Amino acid sequence: TQLLEQSPQFLSIQEGENLTVYCNSSSVFSSLQWYRQEPGEGPVLLVTVVTGGEVKKLKRLTFQFGDARKDSSLHITAAQPGDTGLYLCAGDTGTASKLTFGTGTRLQVTL
Amino acid sequence: DAMVIQNPRYQVTQFGKPVTLSCSQTLNHNVMYWYQQKSSQAPKLLFHYYDKDFNNEADTPDNFQSRRPNTSFCFLDIRSPGLGDAAMYLCATSSGVTGGADTQYFGPGTRLTVL
Repeated sequence: TQLLEQSPQFLSIQEGENLTVYCNSSSVFSSLQWYRQEPGEGPVLLVTVVTGGEVKKLKRLTFQFGDARKDSSLHITAAQPGDTGLYLCAGDTGTASKLTFGTGTRLQVTL
Repeated sequence: DAMVIQNPRYQVTQFGKPVTLSCSQTLNHNVMYWYQQKSSQAPKLLFHYYDKDFNNEADTPDNFQSRRPNTSFCFLDIRSPGLGDAAMYLCATSSGVTGGADTQYFGPGTRLTVL
């Protein structure tokens, strides 16, 4: 069974702080996606990383895919209240058209 | 523009009363998925269609059925909803590419309440 463990599970920080969310597995993924989900809404895709060691930036968000394609991280610089939500990583093995979802990280950013 | 549309956004049903949730997509994707998500948990895959091929997850209860009459539409039928079926139901689509990035795109979800 493939597992994706995210840490931390919960994070409450003040506006302007930096944070990193980790997504770890013992399995290799052909790609990994990061989603943000707000209460009452569906997950919204933030980024897909495909190549080992790849780094992608989306404004204040920096995503990295591990060299061995088993782990990933999401770093947010100068967090804002609008960053509040549930962050989910999801790995694609490249077969069977199914994703393995991480356990989720709930982020709250306060003023 | 919305690419994965779910209707209704909120559905209230009575215990044991059948309910149907709908999903449509404008992406012309091969694969459509139904997930169940309970509070603050990751989405749990119920089943998916690759074109017309239905793929059920082993632990999906028989109470949950699905139909995909054409590429654009997919339905989730809950034959006899129980209180434990109250959840957010998410539809997603993907192109179905293998060996690379098969990104899934989610709809806004339908929040089901069972009274």
